[in-house]
Amino acid sequence: AQSVTQLDSQVPVFEEAPVELRCNYSSSVSVYLFWYVQYPNQGLQLLLKYLSGSTLVESINGFEAEFNKSQTSFHLRKPSVHISDTAEYFCAVSLRGGYQKVTFGTGTKLQVIP
Amino acid sequence: EAGVTQFPSHSVIEKGQTVTLRCDPISGHDNLYWYRRVMGKEIKFLLHFVKESKQDESGMPNNRFLAERTGGTYSTLKVQPAELEDSGVYFCASSQTAGGGTEAFFGQGTRLTVV
Repeated sequence: AQSVTQLDSQVPVFEEAPVELRCNYSSSVSVYLFWYVQYPNQGLQLLLKYLSGSTLVESINGFEAEFNKSQTSFHLRKPSVHISDTAEYFCAVSLRGGYQKVTFGTGTKLQVIP
Repeated sequence: EAGVTQFPSHSVIEKGQTVTLRCDPISGHDNLYWYRRVMGKEIKFLLHFVKESKQDESGMPNNRFLAERTGGTYSTLKVQPAELEDSGVYFCASSQTAGGGTEAFFGQGTRLTVV
């Protein structure tokens, strides 16, 4: 079975400051890795995903995440956050070769302070 | 193109009552998933439909929960009778294919409160 750990339930950060949201996973088999975001009063949206190839993946709004197999981590980073980044972020995994059954972490609320 | 639609957006019911949640997936998506988030905890998988068939219902908590997808279009999730611990946000998602790594599109969720 897989599991995902997001140790930080809330992360406050000032606008234009950098941020890192931590994610570690556990799985006995290879997985795909995802970050989903939920903006206030909206559904979950896929932010970025790692399937294969380059271990550094980027989103269209400036976030990036790096897959580190040895540390079983997939931390999400942004060098300069904006007020509009205020949301809850979920790290998730799904099995390679399997169907899209996703295992989520508990979520991290990013609060950007003006 | 319309996204995944869920309704109601909120539901408050008394313990022992019945509630039915509905999900309309993106047109053409054969795969439909239900997930649930109990307050403060992780989003947990409930079940997966491929068209009208249940591919995996290993996450269904107990037999008070019944999911259907007649005709392979929209899906309903009925809770009968509802208990306090059923409170949470129920998400529906759909995808065109079921391969791992395929993006699933989520609805806004239904917030269920059992009092």
